[in-house]
Amino acid sequence: GAVVSQHPSWVICKSGTSVKIECRSLDFQATTMFWYRQFPKQSLMLMATSNEGSKATYEQGVEKDKFLINHASLTLSTLTVTSAHPEDSSFYICSAKADRGLTYEQYFGPGTRLTVT
Amino acid sequence: GNSVTQMEGPVTLSEEAFLTINCTYTATGYPSLFWYVQYPGEGLQLLLKATKADDKGSNKGFEATYRKETTSFHLEKGSVQVSDSAVYFCALLKTSYDKVIFGPGTSLSVIP
Repeated sequence: GAVVSQHPSWVICKSGTSVKIECRSLDFQATTMFWYRQFPKQSLMLMATSNEGSKATYEQGVEKDKFLINHASLTLSTLTVTSAHPEDSSFYICSAKADRGLTYEQYFGPGTRLTVT
Repeated sequence: GNSVTQMEGPVTLSEEAFLTINCTYTATGYPSLFWYVQYPGEGLQLLLKATKADDKGSNKGFEATYRKETTSFHLEKGSVQVSDSAVYFCALLKTSYDKVIFGPGTSLSVIP
């Protein structure tokens, strides 16, 4: 089956520093990847859609200068949280879209827990 | 716009009880419907899906039937286990170009 990995699985950083999270599709190519944010006991909130070779599309209310997304290859997208603050602490989940004929599925990574102190 | 509504949790059941988690959606046309499961501290796993009306998705003893007439996709399991304790998300997708829309999630706790 299709596997999506994320690295790191958890990270603690100090306020004001930047953190990069990687999302990889391990056994398929993904022209589109998605980044979600999940607060405790809440649903997933889509932050942005990442398209290989082009700029990401951000959802309303998401600061693109704060959350930098780079989709440099068909198997890798990165999310960089710049100048992190405690309110950025959250569970970040990526997913990758796998085209399968007339339908497609999204495969989710295991998530990255970010804690900003 | 498109949306998904789920029954509010948390739901607490005894082992071997019958489970139903209600899910209804709002969307035009015929979206694909999904149930995802999230175990504590983990990401999402696709549990089952249905892509057209009257389809039944099933996996690991869980079932859900795509009901166009009631715009519903209720999740059921005949006999839950402690290992089924997790958060369950109902979701829809209209076309391959659209975003997956998630419901708020329903937390399930199964006690021995």
